[in-house]
Amino acid sequence: TQLLEQSPQFLSIQEGENLTVYCNSSSVFSSLQWYRQEPGEGPVLLVTVVTGGEVKKLKRLTFQFGDARKDSSLHITAAQPGDTGLYLCAGDGRRAGNQFYFGTGTSLTVIP
Amino acid sequence: DAGVTQSPTHLIKTRGQQVTLRCSPKSGHDTVSWYQQALGQGPQFIFQYYEEEERQRGNFPDRFSGHQFPNYSSELNVNALLLGDSALYLCASSLSGRGSVRTQYFGPGTRLLVL
Repeated sequence: TQLLEQSPQFLSIQEGENLTVYCNSSSVFSSLQWYRQEPGEGPVLLVTVVTGGEVKKLKRLTFQFGDARKDSSLHITAAQPGDTGLYLCAGDGRRAGNQFYFGTGTSLTVIP
Repeated sequence: DAGVTQSPTHLIKTRGQQVTLRCSPKSGHDTVSWYQQALGQGPQFIFQYYEEEERQRGNFPDRFSGHQFPNYSSELNVNALLLGDSALYLCASSLSGRGSVRTQYFGPGTRLLVL
């Protein structure tokens, strides 16, 4: 069961452009994490959002948790080649199976 | 403060063999989860261990089994390997606790190739 759907699945943009990645679900999560993963390596935690409507910024990355805690977005401003990677969202389904559910992933390529 | 560590980093096996992967959680964490990740896809949950017991299990056959030791480290065992078991196996640790925010931290993974 895929509780979290990410869009787009693939994204290729030029350096300096802005982009937004979406993570959507019909389920409520206690919290939601965003990770970035390089090929052959483990996911690296970027941020955890907990409160509905919460917005967190990490340099050029802005994360938002939906008011109902069912969805989230990641916005990158002025993308750089170093932003290239697989972006994953993961929801803490504490009330739904007591496990973390991962999104389908968004593969981002930033072209210099 | 050591993060999550996994061993080995790479492994090549043949069909029908058995494999054991190991994971040491981040210092202070008591819960270990295992994931299987195919190339270009998101991780798929295998199972989670807490207090040396399997607490949750994903949609994986009984060929996948695990263990957690008193020091919270964990092993993932896969029997009767199939070609389709080739993947990156990820271990994640977290701290359990009702009412607290749970965040998972991942190890570097073990790349398993089944020939």
